[in-house]
Amino acid sequence: GAGVSQSPSNKVTEKGKDVELRCDPISGHTALYWYRQSLGQGLEFLIYFQGNSAPDKSGLPSDRFSAERTGGSVSTLTIQRTQQEDSAVYLCASRHDRGRGNGYTFGSGTRLTVV
Amino acid sequence: GNSVTQMEGPVTLSEEAFLTINCTYTATGYPSLFWYVQYPGEGLQLLLKATKADDKGSNKGFEATYRKETTSFHLEKGSVQVSDSAVYFCALSPSYSGAGSYQLTFGKGTKLSVIP
Repeated sequence: GAGVSQSPSNKVTEKGKDVELRCDPISGHTALYWYRQSLGQGLEFLIYFQGNSAPDKSGLPSDRFSAERTGGSVSTLTIQRTQQEDSAVYLCASRHDRGRGNGYTFGSGTRLTVV
Repeated sequence: GNSVTQMEGPVTLSEEAFLTINCTYTATGYPSLFWYVQYPGEGLQLLLKATKADDKGSNKGFEATYRKETTSFHLEKGSVQVSDSAVYFCALSPSYSGAGSYQLTFGKGTKLSVIP
């Protein structure tokens, strides 16, 4: 597609429920990232996928968070047993892996509210 | 590790005022530097970038110069408009290879409000 697409745009869930957030990157972009943006905070790196390589999961805050990328394209971020502190905007970005000078293209994000 | 520090907001300016948002960084080597903008209810958009020392990135009237000697990448605009109201993020991409090298490190963002 023309841009990075994320769904849903908004999600309200009850504490303890599992949620899945979806990211559809730009076609041909081999690198895909998930970031979390909490109120009053900057962007926190969560996970990075590059082609068929093992993902860099170093930013995942706990084992309740996981992500996968199927077929090198669409990615799903799953949060199990959600907690109120998980409330944030979850941003996905993709990049054509040709040089570090290329910035990312971000999606509009999924605003997650845990009640 | 790498870090980005930008001035805390919020910043409120009148239309046509001069804008400066300070950004300094800590990183080894020569990182690439970026400014992203986030308009209300939207994702981040790349505003401008610079990949080596003394480069000047520019877009939509905004400019920032990569200053290696002061490790800075301050954002400037000569005359802001109401439509520039947004949150601005400074970011870096490291120059080295290996673990963590493909992450963007962001500042905490500066909210700009421009009033008519």
